[in-house]
Amino acid sequence: RKEVEQDPGPFNVPEGATVAFNCTYSNSASQSFFWYRQDCRKEPKLLMSVYSSGNEDGRFTAQLNRASQYISLLIRDSKLSDSATYLCVVVQGGSYIPTFGRGTSLIVHP
Amino acid sequence: DTAVSQTPKYLVTQMGNDKSIKCEQNLGHDTMYWYKQDSKKFLKIMFSYNNKELIINETVPNRFSPKSPDKAHLNLHINSLELGDSAVYFCASSLLGGEETQYFGPGTRLLVL
Repeated sequence: RKEVEQDPGPFNVPEGATVAFNCTYSNSASQSFFWYRQDCRKEPKLLMSVYSSGNEDGRFTAQLNRASQYISLLIRDSKLSDSATYLCVVVQGGSYIPTFGRGTSLIVHP
Repeated sequence: DTAVSQTPKYLVTQMGNDKSIKCEQNLGHDTMYWYKQDSKKFLKIMFSYNNKELIINETVPNRFSPKSPDKAHLNLHINSLELGDSAVYFCASSLLGGEETQYFGPGTRLLVL
């Protein structure tokens, strides 16, 4: 089982749609969780951290389920500019080694 | 005012050559990283330095040698380049450790012919 798994997609959705991505992780000692966004031929950039209580930033909501070992990202009212690859990052406790998922590709069309 | 910069942005070279990629951050961060992103877009950590000291060294061939002259710089030297080294190499930094937000450089696209 891979350490961090994501559905690669692509998720092809119309503008205004709501879309959700999941990311599962195998190490129960994982401590920190993030979602990054990577545009084509660009570097990854932090989208949001994921807190135990869940957190929201505008149209984006991130949640953590420790019992089932997954994190999720919900995007409401999708915009064309949301088209990108969304990378899940899980950091192991103790070693603090960040592990990236392969990313989920989102395409928002008019 | 680039936070994390890398040079060169593009590197095309022949198999067997030796090349270096430079990285600098002006964020005052203590930790810097090198990642490799292959053709399948999988981003994998290679090395991490904290205040000039190596703290993460994943399974990477000995041909790859990082060097950190000070905490603002982390360079990557690659000996005897192979076709499989072709990838995008990203440098990143974070304030303290991997549990914090990482800021990435623009990447160096390496093509080995």
